Amino acid sequence: QTVVTQEPSLTVSPGGTVTLTCASSAGAVTSGFSPNWFQQKPGQPPRPLIHSTTNKYSWTPARFSGSLLGGKAALTLSHVQPEDEAEYYCLLYHGGAQPWVFGGGTKLTVL
Amino acid sequence: EVQLVESGGGLVQPGGSLQISCTASGFTFKESAMHWVRQAPGRGLEWLGRIRTRPNDYATTYAASVKGRFTFSRDDSKNTVYLQMNSLRIEDTAVYYCTRPGIGDLDDWGQGTLVTVSS
Repeated sequence: QTVVTQEPSLTVSPGGTVTLTCASSAGAVTSGFSPNWFQQKPGQPPRPLIHSTTNKYSWTPARFSGSLLGGKAALTLSHVQPEDEAEYYCLLYHGGAQPWVFGGGTKLTVL
Repeated sequence: EVQLVESGGGLVQPGGSLQISCTASGFTFKESAMHWVRQAPGRGLEWLGRIRTRPNDYATTYAASVKGRFTFSRDDSKNTVYLQMNSLRIEDTAVYYCTRPGIGDLDDWGQGTLVTVSS
């Protein structure tokens, strides 16, 4: 069974920059895994931020960006704001019997 | 505006069954695959599976954790997708979301419905 791994928690100072990563037990993440990133705040459903590795939605703040980094998918937050404190999840497409797998999530603290 | 509204959650005993629904509006439902995702209390997101459209024979794909116990179906005339859950376990306790692809893999989400499996 494929496992997708994210950092369990990260802390960043307001105005700082932080990179969250997303790795697959199936191997190096490429654009073919179609990485998606979601933000979730308590009591709310997930909100998509990034699709197809790098593409933003109309509502995605410019300070969020997606990329591939060292065989992983990555989400970089620049000029972090207090309202960015949330749980972040990646989603990778693997095809086969269980096509989509979420990462375990990264709890981002802005402190 | 796309809206997905889940309903039918509640308390069920271990070994029991429950069907939850997701009613859609704001897009052409019959042309969209629909996915189910759940989130156990204090835990992460888990993709449960997908049901495709009529041209794709309403094909379904299930996560290993629910295969054989959960069944997806849809009624395009009612813009509704269903999740039938059988042989429920305590670990199935979660908020269940329906969601659908758009430009990304899972663009639109409902608010979720809570299913609690407990004696």
